[in-house]
Amino acid sequence: EAGVAQSPRYKIIEKRQSVAFWCNPISGHATLYWYQQILGQGPKLLIQFQNNGVVDDSQLPKDRFSAERLKGVDSTLKIQPAKLEDSAVYLCASSPAPGGVGNTIYFGEGSWLTVV
Amino acid sequence: RKEVEQDPGPFNVPEGATVAFNCTYSNSASQSFFWYRQDCRKEPKLLMSVYSSGNEDGRFTAQLNRASQYISLLIRDSKLSDSATYLCVVFPIPGTSYDKVIFGPGTSLSVIP
Repeated sequence: EAGVAQSPRYKIIEKRQSVAFWCNPISGHATLYWYQQILGQGPKLLIQFQNNGVVDDSQLPKDRFSAERLKGVDSTLKIQPAKLEDSAVYLCASSPAPGGVGNTIYFGEGSWLTVV
Repeated sequence: RKEVEQDPGPFNVPEGATVAFNCTYSNSASQSFFWYRQDCRKEPKLLMSVYSSGNEDGRFTAQLNRASQYISLLIRDSKLSDSATYLCVVFPIPGTSYDKVIFGPGTSLSVIP
């Protein structure tokens, strides 16, 4: 079974530039998550989709971050303009059910962002 | 109080040692619990689920104490390959006012030859 696919794996941009990350979840998984993980910390949920609807985006900095999941499959996460503190790994994950209840969350390899 | 808290670590133990990690959670309505393992510069991967009755997988034992709202992970006969960060994960009851999957900050383990 193919896992969660993410791209690009690594990105270096200057502050105030924009960047976009792409994610393709495991086939059939209805729930898709974007997490931000800063070095030395646990993953922090940015946004959770159930099919193509947003379930939770309470921790998404909406002035600069946006995400969409058109057609309920692939998703993109965009940052515009980027700040130095956005340097982190952006993990996409998916699960078969909302909140992963009765299942678990599967992560992609992550997109490593460095803002200079 | 943070939603999920873990032993701060890091834990540095010799090979063959037994080490235990604790995790506490704040919402008594939480439903499911997991331990994830994260290697350096890699994504988190499921290590094991945590059941109320306790469960064991080889050298790893997970325990849940709902009354005290804590979860533990015990690693026996530590191997060098066990060196990683261990993340406690709390899954909520969907449809409630507390429905986010919460990751703890992680506990770092280094097994030393």
